Parts: sequence; C-alpha cells; structure tokens
Amino acid sequence: DIVMTQSPDSLAVSLGERATINCKSSQNVLFTSKKTNYLAWYQQKPGQPPKLLIYWATTRESGVPDRFSGSGSGSEFSLTISSLQAEDVAVYYCQQYYSSPRTFGQGTKVEI
Amino acid sequence: QVQLQESGPGLVKPSQTLSLTCTVSGGSIRSGDYYWSWIRQSPGRGLEWIGYISNSGSTYYNPSLKSRVTISVETSKNQFSLRLSSVTAADTAVYYCVREGIMGSTGPAQYWGQGALVTVSS
Repeated sequence: DIVMTQSPDSLAVSLGERATINCKSSQNVLFTSKKTNYLAWYQQKPGQPPKLLIYWATTRESGVPDRFSGSGSGSEFSLTISSLQAEDVAVYYCQQYYSSPRTFGQGTKVEI
Repeated sequence: QVQLQESGPGLVKPSQTLSLTCTVSGGSIRSGDYYWSWIRQSPGRGLEWIGYISNSGSTYYNPSLKSRVTISVETSKNQFSLRLSSVTAADTAVYYCVREGIMGSTGPAQYWGQGALVTVSS
C-alpha cells in the first residue's frame, strides 16, 4: 500500500493569512505517460462527509474558491489556502488514487 | 447532480454481518467508467478505503478486509451494497458510499453520501 503522510497534524493561522499543508507519498503517484499526478485533496467539516477540493494535484473542483491551490509532483505535494477565511476551519486530507487500495493521509486540522 | 444515500442498521452485534445499501440518484449507476466505492471513518483508523465495484461488475477490495467484504450492485434499483462479515468493535465507524471518477474516467472520490454510523455492540 502507498502510505500518505501529512504535515503538520494541526495548524493555527490568523484570518487572511496563508496556510500550507504538506503531503508525502511513500511511492510516486505520477502516471508518467500521462504526466498526471493521481493525488487529491479533501476538506471535512464536523458532521459532514469529506468534500473534494483538488484533483490531479492541481485542478480545483468546480465551485471551490481560488484561494485554494494545489502543487507538487511525484511524491511531494502541498495544499495552500492563500488567505484563510473563517469558513475554511476544517480537517484537510490528501489521497492517492494511483493504485488500489486508495489511501489517505492522517489529516491536518486547520484552526484560527 | 449525483446524490448518494446510505441506508441500513445502525447497530450490529459482534460476529454478525454488517449490511449497507447505497441508493444513487441524479445519474445511472451503469453510465460512465466510474467506481462505486465504500469508505469508512473512525477516530482510531481515520479514512479507510474498503473497496469498489465498477459498472461492469468487477470488484477490488482492500486486502486488509478482503476476506470479510462483499460489494455488489443492483443496477435495476440504481443501488450498490456492502456486506462486512464477522464484525468486531473495531468495525464501528461512519460508512460512506462514494462515486470515484471524474468526467467518466478514473479519478478521485467526487461524490459522497452523508454517511451512516454503524456501531458494533452486543
């Protein structure tokens, strides 16, 4: 199985400031022939299912504010919230869908 | 807009079989090259991917659960189901049904059900 490791486990950021979450995979999740990383980011608020934010490592899901951006390739990735809003308080997960079983990071809690 | 809804017992006794059904609306379970999956979440195990069934009926199960899991589909009802046998307290979790795939091809978990809490207890 591909192990996904996120850092930090929690993060406190002031309103309007930048938040960056890192994710490392134990194996490459870049599909070389397609030049595509099989990496997604999700946001989960209490009592709700995870919500897809970013896929293919850098593509924002429809309706996701542009303050959310994804970067990275191969086995190292980041999710950045450029200007934290109150509604961004949540737990964020990375996931690889390069191979089965799909695996998730342990989550990063973002607080104000 | 695709919607998924889990249904099934919220309490299962140890050693018995957990059964959940996911009803899909807003799209046919037969269309597109999607995977219809189950994912569970518990405080101790985080998000754990259980397995999927494709619209052609092929399945893949997490090796950690493979001996106890069956995922099936009933296309006439636009539903798919999860059965997990010989449950223990460690199987207590919120179970989500999910559609994996983007624009008819391989991809992440784009649509999620609201989740069903299943508690294993006598």
